[in-house]
Amino acid sequence: ETGVTQTPRHLVMGMTNKKSLKCEQHLGHNAMYWYKQSAKKPLELMFVYSLEERVENNSVPSRFSPECPNSSHLFLHLHTLQPEDSALYLCASSQAVGQPYEQYFGPGTRLTVT
Amino acid sequence: QKEVEQDPGPLSVPEGAIVSLNCTYSNSAFQYFMWYRQYSRKGPELLMYTYSSGNKEDGRFTAQVDKSSKYISLFIRDSQPSDSATYLCAMLPNTGNQFYFGTGTSLTVIP
Repeated sequence: ETGVTQTPRHLVMGMTNKKSLKCEQHLGHNAMYWYKQSAKKPLELMFVYSLEERVENNSVPSRFSPECPNSSHLFLHLHTLQPEDSALYLCASSQAVGQPYEQYFGPGTRLTVT
Repeated sequence: QKEVEQDPGPLSVPEGAIVSLNCTYSNSAFQYFMWYRQYSRKGPELLMYTYSSGNKEDGRFTAQVDKSSKYISLFIRDSQPSDSATYLCAMLPNTGNQFYFGTGTSLTVIP
């Protein structure tokens, strides 16, 4: 595997379910990010991790819970989601935070909340 | 007012045309300016970035930044069907971790 991988690629869940999104980067980077991409809206930065420490939390509802057990893996735990949370969730990584030209994105998880 | 404004299109051009994609912004603290390309069912990939004002060229792609007008452009020369994608502009201030993205412009190049 190379680059940034995300699983699952598609997820349908009910509002009472609990699920997790997984991201893995194979680039040796120290920073990882979660973004939400909705139709006709800009990418929204959700969380930033640097060396497994959360450095940014952009007023994201508590029904989204990130976890970064090591610098290669990032999870997004989901519970009690709302239909408006349906979107493409993108993971990205970079050598370090604040370096714009090294941010590599995964293919995303298409989430549908029913 | 949004931090970054980008016309969503869609934009449709014939093969070989010159394409101009643009973004405007309001925050004068932005110093890094990026263009990403996103194919359907894929994540964005970085095409080019520039620091502060000026032009940068890479093959058929040219990025321009006009900080006095708070306006950035991406030009694609001799456009190809493989250029059909959504193009996202993004900006970053000199300090901080927050990237600010445009909504993306959908481009279709017709053979």
